[in-house]
Amino acid sequence: AQKVTQAQTEISVVEKEDVTLDCVYETRDTTYYLFWYKQPPSGELVFLIRRNSFDEQNEISGRYSWNFQKSTSSFNFTITASQVVDSAVYFCALSEEETSGSRLTFGEGTQLTVNP
Amino acid sequence: EAQVTQNPRYLITVTGKKLTVTCSQNMNHEYMSWYRQDPGLGLRQIYYSMNVEVTDKGDVPEGYKVSRKEKRNFPLILESPSPNQTSLYFCASSSPRGNTEAFFGQGTRLTVV
Repeated sequence: AQKVTQAQTEISVVEKEDVTLDCVYETRDTTYYLFWYKQPPSGELVFLIRRNSFDEQNEISGRYSWNFQKSTSSFNFTITASQVVDSAVYFCALSEEETSGSRLTFGEGTQLTVNP
Repeated sequence: EAQVTQNPRYLITVTGKKLTVTCSQNMNHEYMSWYRQDPGLGLRQIYYSMNVEVTDKGDVPEGYKVSRKEKRNFPLILESPSPNQTSLYFCASSSPRGNTEAFFGQGTRLTVV
């Protein structure tokens, strides 16, 4: 069975600090997909990134970067120079090849608060 | 605009009164799902559908029903709601390929008193 763990329930930082959100996953599949979603205070779920298990390249998009390490089953998310607008709940999620897009397993979520 | 539309956005109801939350997508996606979000638990899948007339249980299906008579619609039915079904519900749709993201509706906040 697949499982995603986000051990950090809440993180509070001051604006302009860098912050890393941790995500650890478990799966028996060799092919799987990892995702990050953002849930701002308004409540909707915003897709941020997907990564497949064969692509271990780290990715950077503006102030956001993701570090995928199969050796430690982790897919961590770093926000550089955080801003108040980054305040949200962030979810890491996993889907396996067998169930593909039909089943996403989510972590518990990390509430990030960026204070001015 | 590609979107998943849920209705209603907010609902307060009483225990035992049947209700339906509608979900519609305009992306011609085969896959649709329902999730519930509870504090500290993240999102958990209730039911999913891989195509018309094909539905299956997710991780927390007790107390819920679904149907998929048309590709675009996937309603969630609570035949006899109970207070432990108070939650934030999300409908999602996606293509069959595992490497594509799921698109989520805006959520339905349900309170059962």
